[in-house]
Amino acid sequence: DTAVSQTPKYLVTQMGNDKSIKCEQNLGHDTMYWYKQDSKKFLKIMFSYNNKELIINETVPNRFSPKSPDKAHLNLHINSLELGDSAVYFCASSRIAGGFNTGELFFGEGSRLTVL
Amino acid sequence: GESVGLHLPTLSVQEGDNSIINCAYSNSASDYFIWYKQESGKGPQFIIDIRSNMDKRQGQRVTVLLNKTVKHLSLQIAATQPGDSAVYFCAENIVGNSGYALNFGKGTSLLVTP
Repeated sequence: DTAVSQTPKYLVTQMGNDKSIKCEQNLGHDTMYWYKQDSKKFLKIMFSYNNKELIINETVPNRFSPKSPDKAHLNLHINSLELGDSAVYFCASSRIAGGFNTGELFFGEGSRLTVL
Repeated sequence: GESVGLHLPTLSVQEGDNSIINCAYSNSASDYFIWYKQESGKGPQFIIDIRSNMDKRQGQRVTVLLNKTVKHLSLQIAATQPGDSAVYFCAENIVGNSGYALNFGKGTSLLVTP
């Protein structure tokens, strides 16, 4: 069973469209994340959610809206897609122990978004 | 496939040699560090971690060294194998009231030649 799964793996779309990427984790973790990886492989955090509550919201355009229907899911919706949004988007999760987040992040396989 | 215009630092080693990948981190308040391995087309995978109260930690064929004085981390891979070819990232925990996350370094591409 895949621990952190994202769909779709590949997404090609036109500028101006709206698209969503879904993420699910079956690890029982409380915190989920979205990271963006650019063409130079630089990984940058976008958002984190803890128990469906937004915790970290880095400088990301308002066109990006995460939604967490429950603690096992964190979806990313992107409005009015732009060329610069082309990247690989990674979902991740981590656990809380003793009231503190600790340890590694478990990553999904990534969703490659190409905006034409 | 890989993107055009990739400018990652690249380390090329021969199979069987030892590899050393270096990383400078930015925040002196960080107290937890991880090395990740990312193979082509996959997500980053955990290799080894270290807390700031340690300066060395060993795993299977891998060793992480932490020098807090100069904010430097290194990953040593013993007897490097072709399967070790990947991009390696160091990461530090983001410290603050805004919650827990990891801040990633720029990555080093390791190429193992037979």
